[in-house]
Amino acid sequence: GDQVEQSPSALSLHEGTGSALRCNFTTTMRAVQWFRKNSRGSLINLFYLASGTKENGRLKSAFDSKERYSTLHIRDAQLEDSGTYFCAAVMSNYNVLYFGSGTKLTVEP
Amino acid sequence: EAAVTQSPRNKVTVTGGNVTLSCRQTNSHNYMYWYRQDTGHGLRLIHYSYGAGNLQIGDVPDGYKATRTTQEDFFLLLELASPSQTSLYFCASSTGTGGYEQYFGPGTRLTVL
Repeated sequence: GDQVEQSPSALSLHEGTGSALRCNFTTTMRAVQWFRKNSRGSLINLFYLASGTKENGRLKSAFDSKERYSTLHIRDAQLEDSGTYFCAAVMSNYNVLYFGSGTKLTVEP
Repeated sequence: EAAVTQSPRNKVTVTGGNVTLSCRQTNSHNYMYWYRQDTGHGLRLIHYSYGAGNLQIGDVPDGYKATRTTQEDFFLLLELASPSQTSLYFCASSTGTGGYEQYFGPGTRLTVL
């Protein structure tokens, strides 16, 4: 469905720079997860948030259920950060994840 | 950490073929899910289950059956595979109570010729 709108669809960064990915939701969501799909095709769990913000190394995520959005900030990007990032959210009264269409991040030297 | 395994990791079959993808989780989770992921799309939910013997239809169920034989095991069945089912398939599990975080398996790449 179109419950989750992710942007941008593609992003190119130079090493050492940063940017933000965003997901907007068309309805109230209970929680959000962020993933990175690596070159081998595996989904790496980055964050799970029911509210507020979380930080892990060079990554920081925020989730605002009331305003219906979540963000993923990447700072000091490294080559190994390249991959496709997905957000996914849990709709109230359901126990399933709705995924955004992904952001393909390319980090260049 | 949650452990979800899938087999096979890669599978090639022909149109009309019969394929079974297996998923096992060893974390006593109630919910299990099957997704497919195609280039340019996020993961799309095929089927899910909240316990042994239970099956719920997801967003893209056509052409797929699923069966949850035990709490640990969830199978995805393609009885008449078609080229449109060439995709990367992910299995996931979650507790379903008190939290909604899903844990994903490594994926199965299926090619239907």
